[in-house]
Amino acid sequence: QKEVEQNSGPLSVPEGAIASLNCTYSDRGSQSFFWYRQYSGKSPELIMSIYSNGDKEDGRFTAQLNKASQYVSLLIRDSQPSDSATYLCAVWMDSSYKLIFGSGTRLLVRP
Amino acid sequence: DARVTQTPRHKVTEMGQEVTMRCQPILGHNTVFWYRQTMMQGLELLAYFRNRAPLDDSGMPKDRFSAEMPDATLATLKIQPSEPRDSAVYFCASGSRTRGGQPQHFGDGTRLSIL
Repeated sequence: QKEVEQNSGPLSVPEGAIASLNCTYSDRGSQSFFWYRQYSGKSPELIMSIYSNGDKEDGRFTAQLNKASQYVSLLIRDSQPSDSATYLCAVWMDSSYKLIFGSGTRLLVRP
Repeated sequence: DARVTQTPRHKVTEMGQEVTMRCQPILGHNTVFWYRQTMMQGLELLAYFRNRAPLDDSGMPKDRFSAEMPDATLATLKIQPSEPRDSAVYFCASGSRTRGGQPQHFGDGTRLSIL
């Protein structure tokens, strides 16, 4: 079992829709979770951090964390073509003291 | 905006040559990470430093790769001798430890091609 798992996609949504990206992780003791956006040929860019169960909202982005289910998600409201990118889930593993990245979900927003 | 600076941005060289990649972390950040990204493997952690001390380099092929942090403003990753399978994008990231997990900020990367 991979430490951080994401569906590779592509996830295709129409412009204006809500895009829902999901991530599961294996280390039950993990406390810190991050979402990065990576455009093709560019570096990962941090867009959200979440540390507590529940929802955290920042503009059109909402991160959701459920530690009991070992599940973290990212919702993008009013999706725009410029949101088309690969979204990487990253989990800080206290067991190994490392930030472990998922393989990423490719999001395509259709105009 | 503070940024992680990596040089060179691109490097093409022949197999067997030494390659040195450099990273200037964000001023005030005390942890530095080296990652390698390929289509097949995704983002892999190679090594990381805290307060210039190497904490983990288990992701790095020890026989050919070395990572150092001679001062707080410079981290280096060397490959000697380089091989075609080392072709990848190498990212440096930095962070400031405020809690167990910390957000990391990435540089633009070095795109390395070994012929």
